[in-house]
This record gives sequence, C-alpha cells and structure tokens, in this order.
Amino acid sequence: EVQLVESGGGLVQPGGSLRLSCVASGFSLNSYAMSWVRQAPGKGLEWVSGISGSGEITSYADSVKGLFVISRDTSKNTLFLQMNSLRVQDTAVYYCAREARWELGYNWFDPWGQGTPVTVFS
Amino acid sequence: EIVLTQAPATLSAFPGESVTLSCRASQSVGSDLAWYQQKPGQAPRLLIYAAAARATGFPPRFSGSGSGTDFTLTIRGLQSEDFAVYYCQQYNKWPPSNFGQGTKVEIK
Repeated sequence: EVQLVESGGGLVQPGGSLRLSCVASGFSLNSYAMSWVRQAPGKGLEWVSGISGSGEITSYADSVKGLFVISRDTSKNTLFLQMNSLRVQDTAVYYCAREARWELGYNWFDPWGQGTPVTVFS
Repeated sequence: EIVLTQAPATLSAFPGESVTLSCRASQSVGSDLAWYQQKPGQAPRLLIYAAAARATGFPPRFSGSGSGTDFTLTIRGLQSEDFAVYYCQQYNKWPPSNFGQGTKVEIK
C-alpha cells in the first residue's frame, strides 16, 4: 500500500526553524517526484516546493524561495522540508504529496499524507 | 501565473440531487486539470485527473469534463459521504501548480 506519513510540525516563534519529514512506503522516492503543499487555517491549497525523482531538480513557490529547502534521503525513503526564518503567514498544515511522474512539475498529486501542522506565533 | 476561479464558493443541495461545480482558468490549460475532494480534518484526495479521468476508488457518479479554460465536476445523486470541499488544480503551466479556492458542497 502506498502511504505517506509526515511529522515534525509544531509551535515556533517568528524567525525560528522547523524540519518536516515525510516517510514514504509502498514505492521508491527514486521513481516519483514529490511535493509539499500547505493549507492555512480555513484556506485553500498552496503548492510550496517540489523535488524530481532524480533528486537533482528542485523548485519553490515565490512565497518561500530562499527560506525553505526541500531534500530527501533515499536510503530512508524520506522527504524533508527545512523551513527557516518562519513567519506568521507560514502557519498551515503541511502535506507531502507524490506527483504522478518521475519528472517534477506538470503533474497531479496522488496520494497525500495526513499532514503536519505548523504554527508560527509571536 | 494561471488563476483558477471556482464557482460557486458554497453549494447547498439535498442528498440525491445532482450538482455541477465550475472551475475556470485565466488562460488555456488544455486538459491538464485535476479535481480533489477534501473532507473536514482530512487530506485532499485525488478525484479526477486529465480533466475527465476518474481516480481509483471513486464511483461513476463523479464525472469531470471540459478543456481549455472551462471545466466542470458533476456529482449525480449526492450521497452523504460526498459533502466536502472540492478543489481544482492546473498542471499545464508550472511552476507553480495552482489550485482554485474551492467549492464547499453542503447539505441543504
């Protein structure tokens, strides 16, 4: 069964950092691109970042460029999102999602993890 | 950046009714459009991809159509488990991969 399980969310003050993890099972991260998508409280979905199946190509939304870093550990089949200089507006549930293909971008997302909440408060 | 506009924001319907949700793109996305269903406290779940292909696990009462800039999601004979928020997503122009703001289907 294909499954994604996120962890690492929590409470943090503005300017702080968090590292989110997403453990994938039932498939290899070498075979699919992966993305992080977030959802602010009561709001819609916003794509945040993605990484190709090769791990060589990464991309970021303008809203997080230079602040967040996506990476992976294929030996642990785990995806990461390092979030630095966090702002109140980064408060959201963060989902990892598998893209439809190995190539990054131009894909739908399936499946999604259950999400991990991040709250940035002053 | 492509903007997706979903209408209506909220749709109230009785169980058993058929409803149509709209997603309009600010420029053509071909057939590169997906729909997701999200229930309260749950992650989104892929429902439709390539504008009209139904994802695994969803019954035939769900159907998607459209191309270019205008897309629709139709649910025929609403069941209690269908009351949720539905989002469209375009993946024709990237980055970013945008989503619409969602349509909430609620019980009348």
